[in-house]
Amino acid sequence: SQQGEEDPQALSIQEGENATMNCSYKTSINNLQWYRQNSGRGLVHLILIRSNEREKHSGRLRVTLDTSKKSSSLLITASRAADTASYFCATQIQGAQKLVFGQGTRLTINP
Amino acid sequence: NAGVTQTPKFQVLKTGQSMTLQCAQDMNHNSMYWYRQDPGMGLRLIYYSASEGTTDKGEVPNGYNVSRLNKREFSLRLESAAPSQTSVYFCASSDGQGLDEKLFFGSGTQLSVL
Repeated sequence: SQQGEEDPQALSIQEGENATMNCSYKTSINNLQWYRQNSGRGLVHLILIRSNEREKHSGRLRVTLDTSKKSSSLLITASRAADTASYFCATQIQGAQKLVFGQGTRLTINP
Repeated sequence: NAGVTQTPKFQVLKTGQSMTLQCAQDMNHNSMYWYRQDPGMGLRLIYYSASEGTTDKGEVPNGYNVSRLNKREFSLRLESAAPSQTSVYFCASSDGQGLDEKLFFGSGTQLSVL
């Protein structure tokens, strides 16, 4: 079964609004990462948050991590049409090198 | 820099045919990975190579073999393709230092098995 589960599976908002996506996981982690995938392309790394961090920012991205609830959220502020993509969380499980990906959230920004 | 390069981009096979997907990275990364992506399933790890000379099974290795040819190249082979292997395949690499592994992905191979 998947380590990470994302919610919602799909999200459609108006340009300029904020978009929030959530990720839950099952086992203890070293870090949690978010990736973006544009249609027909490979994944691109966005941001990494370590297990001992609670919040991290990068430009218009804000990631939070709650290890007690085993959950994370990705907030994209002031969304743009170019943010239309699928977003995946990935966890690096403690004691392992490889990443395990969630099923993704498909985000559509309407102009 | 080209990053991670995969070939081919598209392939159609008949059931039972074999083929090899090629992947090369020019970032001097130690670790390389093969994932498959299916609708509603996210990315699932097929095989990975933590360093040159080593390979390990991932979540869905059945029906596949891999070869870490050298530090740059990591190939995925389907010996006898099945319709269940219709998918988009992604190769990725990371520096392999153990902590905070960030993956760099290729653009994918769309494979159809008829």
